[in-house]
Amino acid sequence: AQSVAQPEDQVNVAEGNPLTVKCTYSVSGNPYLFWYVQYPNRGLQFLLKYITGDNLVKGSYGFEAEFNKSQTSFHLKKPSALVSDSALYFCAVRDDTGFQKLVFGTGTRLLVSP
Amino acid sequence: SAVISQKPSRDICQRGTSLTIQCQVDSQVTMMFWYRQQPGQSLTLIATANQGSEATYESGFVIDKFPISRPNLTFSTLTVSNMSPEDSSIYLCSVSEGTQYFGPGTRLLVL
Repeated sequence: AQSVAQPEDQVNVAEGNPLTVKCTYSVSGNPYLFWYVQYPNRGLQFLLKYITGDNLVKGSYGFEAEFNKSQTSFHLKKPSALVSDSALYFCAVRDDTGFQKLVFGTGTRLLVSP
Repeated sequence: SAVISQKPSRDICQRGTSLTIQCQVDSQVTMMFWYRQQPGQSLTLIATANQGSEATYESGFVIDKFPISRPNLTFSTLTVSNMSPEDSSIYLCSVSEGTQYFGPGTRLLVL
């Protein structure tokens, strides 16, 4: 069965500094990986995905993620954090049974201080 | 990407009652999903709803508690039946266009 792990409950970073939110995955076949962000009192917003191709995936709001097959990781990154990036971030993997359902990690709260 | 709306956006309900949540999409989609996000937790899939077939429920979720309708390719409903305080959650619908896109959620508080 597919699974993802987000080892950090919270990440704190100062505005202007680079940020990394970690995610590792376990799949039986090819990984289909996603990052979503949830702002307070809002639904989930899609940030980016890895299906195949380049290991560095660029997404919305200046975020990118690096796929590393040997380390089974898909860490979310941004070169310069903004206070407005403070939110809850979820990593997810798509089920490979053909039903396209997602399995989510436990989420990481990102807090960017001014 | 598809634009998804949900009604109601939030509700406060008494235990033992039922609430039906509506999900409307601005385009035709084959696959729709219903998720639950309990307070402070991650998302858990309740069921997959495909038009023209019965919903497929995940382990731990049953049709009597969470009946789902999918009358056409742009609409679905989820009913939370015989509610208890443990049903207090955010309920989100999503659609798949290769990537899953989510509605804004329905915040339910059961007293």
